[in-house]
Amino acid sequence: EIVLTQSPATLSLSPGERATLSCRASQSVTKYLAWYQQKPGQAPRLLIYDASNRATGIPARFSGSGSGTDFTLTISSLEPEDSAVYYCHQRIAWPYTFGPGTKLEIK
Amino acid sequence: EVQLVESGGGLVQPGGSLRLSCAASGFTFSRYWMGWVRQAPRRGLEWVASIKHDGTEKQYGESVKHRFSISRDSAHNSLYLQMDSLRVEDTAVYYCARVVLPLDTGAFHIWGQGTLVTVSS
Repeated sequence: EIVLTQSPATLSLSPGERATLSCRASQSVTKYLAWYQQKPGQAPRLLIYDASNRATGIPARFSGSGSGTDFTLTISSLEPEDSAVYYCHQRIAWPYTFGPGTKLEIK
Repeated sequence: EVQLVESGGGLVQPGGSLRLSCAASGFTFSRYWMGWVRQAPRRGLEWVASIKHDGTEKQYGESVKHRFSISRDSAHNSLYLQMDSLRVEDTAVYYCARVVLPLDTGAFHIWGQGTLVTVSS
């Protein structure tokens, strides 16, 4: 199975700062990587699919990049409501796998 | 409005069975791959199973293979997860999810609110 590793595990930043979250795959997933945001008590929310496509209704401050084994989710200017856990997910091969998550805290 | 609503969760003893249902509305159910994703308490997301838009292909995570069965009924716009031989480690919130694009495996775009399954004696 493809193992996804996310870094950092926790990130603490202030409103207006830029956040850079990383996801690394144990083998190439070409472009088939997605990013989700999950807040406590809520279902996950799709942010980015196929590495760089923003899902419907997602603010432009969220962007995704990368291919192969290395991917990045960037939040250009943090808002207080961006506090959440962010997961990456590959769908190029069964079994689908998720990364362990990055917890983003807004100071 | 595009919506998924799960039901069927609850408390079950180890070795028991449970059937989860997911009612879909607001989109053409028969055109989308669907899946189940679970989240154990205070843990991350784990993909459980997926089923092709026409029901002809099913995939399972290793931890549930041969115990869980995914199915769908397009006449009733419903997705199901039959869970047998349940274990304590199957305790989780189970989410029903729809992929982002029709006729494609895809990332999970639309999610239900989740239903809690607790396996305990």
